[in-house]
Amino acid sequence: KAGVTQTPRYLIKTRGQQVTLSCSPISGHRSVSWYQQTPGQGLQFLFEYFSETQRNKGNFPGRFSGRQFSNSRSEMNVSTLELGDSALYLCASSLGGRQTNTEAFFGQGTRLTVV
Amino acid sequence: KNQVEQSPQSLIILEGKNCTLQCNYTVSPFSNLRWYKQDTGRGPVSLTIMTFSENTKSNGRYTATLDADTKQSSLHITASQLSDSASYICVVSTRMTTDSWGKLQFGAGTQVVVTP
Repeated sequence: KAGVTQTPRYLIKTRGQQVTLSCSPISGHRSVSWYQQTPGQGLQFLFEYFSETQRNKGNFPGRFSGRQFSNSRSEMNVSTLELGDSALYLCASSLGGRQTNTEAFFGQGTRLTVV
Repeated sequence: KNQVEQSPQSLIILEGKNCTLQCNYTVSPFSNLRWYKQDTGRGPVSLTIMTFSENTKSNGRYTATLDADTKQSSLHITASQLSDSASYICVVSTRMTTDSWGKLQFGAGTQVVVTP
């Protein structure tokens, strides 16, 4: 069974640009969550999608948005990039639904550098 | 204030020795507690997941304990190997209620360095 796939693995953007990151969950998983990880802050929750609906959201500005498609693939968009957005962006997939004990599997992440 | 606190922040141990990492949480309502291992630049990998009724769970040389009354967990690494060098993250999941879906609360992680 293929794991969680995130693309691209590395990205360099300049301030003010926007970026779209992609996450393909494990087949059969309907929940996708996104996280930002920086050395000083650890893993910070961005949002979670389940069956194309956002059902949880972290404390990030509106420049961070996401969506989920009918095949459970998810995209995350960051507009008007700032230097502080440089981070490793991770997505995790799980079965979701009413089972909160299901395991979350992480992708390898997208390393975004804003210059 | 983070609802999941991990200690120590970092530690260095000799290959072959044991070590124990701590996780205290205030997250409520509790659903389960997970330990993840994250190698530098890679995504976290699950080691254990424990629900309220489970006191201990092992995965090879990793043994996690949970005291739901005191809201404390530990991860014990036995006979450490160089490949154990990584960040270990404690994650507590809240239980789904009528008002909200469950969500994951992350600790800041403990950075473990195993030296020859």
